[in-house]
Parts: sequence; C-alpha cells; structure tokens
Amino acid sequence: TQLLEQSPQFLSIQEGENLTVYCNSSSVFSSLQWYRQEPGEGPVLLVTVVTGGEVKKLKRLTFQFGDARKDSSLHITAAQPGDTGLYLCAGVNSGGSNYKLTFGKGTLLTVNP
Amino acid sequence: KAGVTQTPRYLIKTRGQQVTLSCSPISGHRSVSWYQQTPGQGLQFLFEYFSETQRNKGNFPGRFSGRQFSNSRSEMNVSTLELGDSALYLCASNPGHPANYGYTFGSGTRLTVV
Repeated sequence: TQLLEQSPQFLSIQEGENLTVYCNSSSVFSSLQWYRQEPGEGPVLLVTVVTGGEVKKLKRLTFQFGDARKDSSLHITAAQPGDTGLYLCAGVNSGGSNYKLTFGKGTLLTVNP
Repeated sequence: KAGVTQTPRYLIKTRGQQVTLSCSPISGHRSVSWYQQTPGQGLQFLFEYFSETQRNKGNFPGRFSGRQFSNSRSEMNVSTLELGDSALYLCASNPGHPANYGYTFGSGTRLTVV
C-alpha cells in the first residue's frame, strides 16, 4: 500500500508570512499533483510535477518534486487570506494501467488578515 | 466548457437503504474516478472507470459498486447503507492518462446516513 504523509496537518499564519508544506512517501510515483480544496467543494488541481527535481512556480506558489520522485514540497510566499484552504498532495501510481491517485490527508491552512 | 457535474449535492438516507449517485464528466474525458472523503480518513479511492470498464478498484466492501455508460457518465451505488458511509463522495474526470494530466473534480455529493 502506497502512503503519502503530509506535514504539518494544520497551519495558522498571519498574512504576509511564508510557509512550506511537505509531502513524503517511501514509494516512487510517476507524477505528483497538488490540489487545493475549499469547504463544500471538490479539490482543484494546482500543479502536476513529473520529473525528479522539477520545480514549478505558480505566482506565489513554488512546487518541487524530489529527485527520487518520492516526496514533494509546496512553498507559499507572502501568504494571503485567499490562500486559505485544504492543500492535498496526490501521487499517481507508476507503470501499467493501474491508475489511481493516492492522496495525503492534507494540510489545512488558515491565513489570518 | 462545462465542468464535472455531480447530482444530487446533498442526500439524507436511512440506515439499510440504498443510494445512487451520478456524475457527468467533462466532455471528451473517458476516465471517471470516485472517491470518498471523511474527516478522519481523508480522500479514499473507490474505483475508476475508463470506456465503460472498471480499470481499478479500491479497498471498499462489495456494497459499493459503480458503472459507466457509453457517454462516459457514471453512477455509483451503495447498498445497505451504514452510518459510517456518511461522507462527501467526489467524482473526478480525466482524459485517460492521469500521470500527465490532473483530475477535474466535481463539487461532490454530501451523503448523510441516519
């Protein structure tokens, strides 16, 4: 069974602060995706990282995929209240047609004005 | 273009009853996956359908079943409902190669079993 551990589980910060969320596994994934979910809604895809060591930037969000494709991080610079939400990482199984996402349990981020 | 549509949004059922949830994927997407989300367990994979065939299945009891129609619309059914089945059920569609393309999720169906 492939597991993804996310940390921290909860994060409450002030507007303007920086933060990093981690996603770790002992398994290799063919790609890793980050989603953000708001209350009462489904997750929304932020980014997909495919290559080991890959770094992608989305405005104030920076995503990194580990060299061994087992871990990833999400860094937010100068957080804003609109960044509040549940951040989920999800690994895609490698190989074959066994497609499913394995989700971490998420990091609940609250950015206070 | 229209997103993933799930109906109904909210549902209250009595223990022992059965329920059918519906999902219409994004036009052209042939893969539909179902997930159960609870506060304690997070998102757990139920099953995935691709071109009307179940391609993958999670570790849920046989009371949970699904199907996909020729137009890619999908339904999931839960029989003999238990209190523990109360959850947000999410459907996600994908063109067919999730390693490179992310999933688009619907807003979910909130099922409450009383």
